[in-house]
Amino acid sequence: SQQGEEDPQALSIQEGENATMNCSYKTSINNLQWYRQNSGRGLVHLILIRSNEREKHSGRLRVTLDTSKKSSSLLITASRAADTASYFCAPEGHNAGKSTFGDGTTLTVKP
Amino acid sequence: DTEVTQTPKHLVMGMTNKKSLKCEQHMGHRAMYWYKQKAKKPPELMFVYSYEKLSINESVPSRFSPECPNSSLLNLHLHALQPEDSALYLCASSQVIKTGRGHTEAFFGQGTRLTVV
Repeated sequence: SQQGEEDPQALSIQEGENATMNCSYKTSINNLQWYRQNSGRGLVHLILIRSNEREKHSGRLRVTLDTSKKSSSLLITASRAADTASYFCAPEGHNAGKSTFGDGTTLTVKP
Repeated sequence: DTEVTQTPKHLVMGMTNKKSLKCEQHMGHRAMYWYKQKAKKPPELMFVYSYEKLSINESVPSRFSPECPNSSLLNLHLHALQPEDSALYLCASSQVIKTGRGHTEAFFGQGTRLTVV
């Protein structure tokens, strides 16, 4: 299975601090996506990084991809209380036709 | 329009009922997905449609029956469900990259909260 595995499972930080979440996967990928989910709601796409890319930025978000280590990280800088949510990585394996979500990291940002 | 619209938002059904969940997108996406999500768990893929054809069925029980009437609509027909099928059902869509290099980012609806009694 190409399911991503996130680490840590839970993260609690103060507003203004940076949050880093990691994702590992097993086989080669087309791309890897990061999503956010607020409690009980739909998922919001954050960033898609392709297998030939090493780093992408979007606002306060920075995603890295290391295909040699089969891992990715999501960094949220200058966190805000509104960043409190669950974050999932979803690697899409070669010829898989699908992305599969890992268990996610639950981020709590305290005001 | 970057929305995926799911109806209804909430559904309570008995184990002998037949109901349908609906999903609609107008982004021109040719891949559409159904996911099931239990509380405090990640979304689990159920079905994938690509160009209106079922391309992936993740060994879902036959009491769940998907249908893709056209490129904008995706239905999930429910029949004889069990209480353990109670969950948030999420629909998503994405574009297919024709060079065979996967898909673009997926857009998710807000889900249907299903309770089976």
